[in-house]
Amino acid sequence: ETGVTQSPTHLIKTRGQQVTLRCSSQSGHNTVSWYQQALGQGPQFIFQYYREEENGRGNFPPRFSGLQFPNYSSELNVNALELDDSALYLCASSRSGGLGYTFGSGTRLTVV
Amino acid sequence: GQQLNQSPQSMFIQEGEDVSMNCTSSSIFNTWLWYKQEPGEGPVLLIALYKAGELTSNGRLTAQFGITRKDSFLNISASIPSDVGIYFCAGQLRETSGSRLTFGEGTQLTVNP
Repeated sequence: ETGVTQSPTHLIKTRGQQVTLRCSSQSGHNTVSWYQQALGQGPQFIFQYYREEENGRGNFPPRFSGLQFPNYSSELNVNALELDDSALYLCASSRSGGLGYTFGSGTRLTVV
Repeated sequence: GQQLNQSPQSMFIQEGEDVSMNCTSSSIFNTWLWYKQEPGEGPVLLIALYKAGELTSNGRLTAQFGITRKDSFLNISASIPSDVGIYFCAGQLRETSGSRLTFGEGTQLTVNP
């Protein structure tokens, strides 16, 4: 079975720009979560999608938004990028119920 | 955002030594998870604990779910160089907060051959 794949692997954006990150979930997984991992810290929960709807959100502003598609893949969109948005963005998929998370390798976003 | 208190922050040990790290929280969880992350990769699940008091092993790794549901520890026995990486604990409270994971800040493990 294929794992979680994320694209792109690295990205450099300018403050104020918008960015879209993509995630393909593991085969058989219908729930996708996104996490932000700043350098030297643990991942922080952004939000989760189940059946194409947001199903839980962490302490992130509305300029962080997402989508889940019928094939369970997902996008994370961030508008009006700020320097503090520089981080590793991780996607994790699981079956419903949230057991057995599988993480992707992440997208390293640098905002300059 | 909420973080778990994970200690120690870093460890430098000799190959063959045993390692112990722990995680505490002010909130209860009904699942505790331990992950390992290597450079350029996402976290990889090592051990999952689902019941208070549960003690689970995975090869040289042993983890326990604290009785109070607010803590967990991970032991690594007879460390080897490939154990190098960052170890994260994560708590999950499935009933009220979906299935989100709350992570600790990690323990950086260095093993000298």
